[in-house]
Amino acid sequence: GEDVEQSLFLSVREGDSSVINCTYTDSSSTYLYWYKQEPGAGLQLLTYIFSNMDMKQDQRLTVLLNKKDKHLSLRIADTQTGDSAIYFCAESIKGTYKYIFGTGTRLKVLA
Amino acid sequence: SAVISQKPSRDICQRGTSLTIQCQVDSQVTMMFWYRQQPGQSLTLIATANQGSEATYESGFVIDKFPISRPNLTFSTLTVSNMSPEDSSIYLCSVELGLAGGLTGELFFGEGSRLTVL
Repeated sequence: GEDVEQSLFLSVREGDSSVINCTYTDSSSTYLYWYKQEPGAGLQLLTYIFSNMDMKQDQRLTVLLNKKDKHLSLRIADTQTGDSAIYFCAESIKGTYKYIFGTGTRLKVLA
Repeated sequence: SAVISQKPSRDICQRGTSLTIQCQVDSQVTMMFWYRQQPGQSLTLIATANQGSEATYESGFVIDKFPISRPNLTFSTLTVSNMSPEDSSIYLCSVELGLAGGLTGELFFGEGSRLTVL
């Protein structure tokens, strides 16, 4: 079945870049997403990428997609303490309304 | 965008009791989704609620345990029945709206209802 995996924790220093990685199994996914969850809040869409793209940049965020290896990454440049949150990778299942979420990566930014 | 309000935001419940979570959306939507987020785990879809029909449950979830109502296009409830400590989790209500270009959707989530079952 479909599966999305992420590492659970990442710690970086303020001002450094953060790279959060994700692997997925469903090769038919047409879109992949990054959601952010701050403490006590629901998830909020950060960015998404179409499966025929290799890269997407949005201000401090860069998404890289390696479709051959089914690997997705999110790079946050100049990481700030406000970026501390849980980041979820997700894929939409083609032909359905379903999304498969990863376990989430808890990013901690050290001042 | 969509603004989703959930109540209660958190509760502590006794084993064997039931609790109903309410979800209110600020716009009319066809489908509403209920997710469970267990500690340290990913979000798992419980069911999809369409207005005017019975909810569609995912594998591992049944109506007797998680009855859902969808009386109109802006509101839904999820009941967690006969709770046990294993039901301690965050329950999230969600809707999907189209992104610009209409080729994919964006999920909007409520803030979640954190249930602790003793």
